[in-house]
Amino acid sequence: AQTVTQSQPEMSVQEAETVTLSCTYDTSENNYYLFWYKQPPSRQMILVIRQEAYKQQNATENRFSVNFQKAAKSFSLKISDSQLGDTAMYFCAFMKHIYSGGTSYGKLTFGQGTILTVHP
Amino acid sequence: GAGVSQSPRYKVTKRGQDVALRCDPISGHVSLYWYRQALGQGPEFLTYFNYEAQQDKSGLPNDRFSAERPEGSISTLTIQRTEQRDSAMYRCASSPAGKPWGETQYFGPGTRLLVL
Repeated sequence: AQTVTQSQPEMSVQEAETVTLSCTYDTSENNYYLFWYKQPPSRQMILVIRQEAYKQQNATENRFSVNFQKAAKSFSLKISDSQLGDTAMYFCAFMKHIYSGGTSYGKLTFGQGTILTVHP
Repeated sequence: GAGVSQSPRYKVTKRGQDVALRCDPISGHVSLYWYRQALGQGPEFLTYFNYEAQQDKSGLPNDRFSAERPEGSISTLTIQRTEQRDSAMYRCASSPAGKPWGETQYFGPGTRLLVL
């Protein structure tokens, strides 16, 4: 079974600064996807960024970028120019390929989350 | 377009009652997932539908939990004889297709269930 570990229960950062959230995972799969989701106080679950394991290039999305180290099974999220609206719980998630009954789908396993607070 | 919607947003029930939670996926999305999220934890997989077929129910905790998606669109998660340990946020997610398998799952706002 896959496990996802987020070792930082809480992080804080000053507005406009940069912060990095850590995530490691354990798998024997070679092909998979990785995601970061954001859960603000409203408790919505919002996609931040995704990474395909077979792509060596790190994904970026505006102020959000990842450092994907496949051999180390590490997938950290860097938030640049932090904004107050970035305050949220961040979840790292691993997607495994399942093939069953003629259907392919992805099964997500989430980490425990990191609460990020951005201070003015 | 409209995102995934869920109803009710909050449900308070007494132990022993049955509850039905509804999910309306993004229009045209073939894949539908149910997750359960305890407070302060990440979501945990419950079940998966491809159109109307329930392809994977390995995450359902026991036989009091069931789900259906009869017409391949709206889905209902039913919990019979609720217990206090069932209290959690129940989330639905949908994605465009089963192929390619790496499609992003888009989550609904969740139903917060409290069993007294």
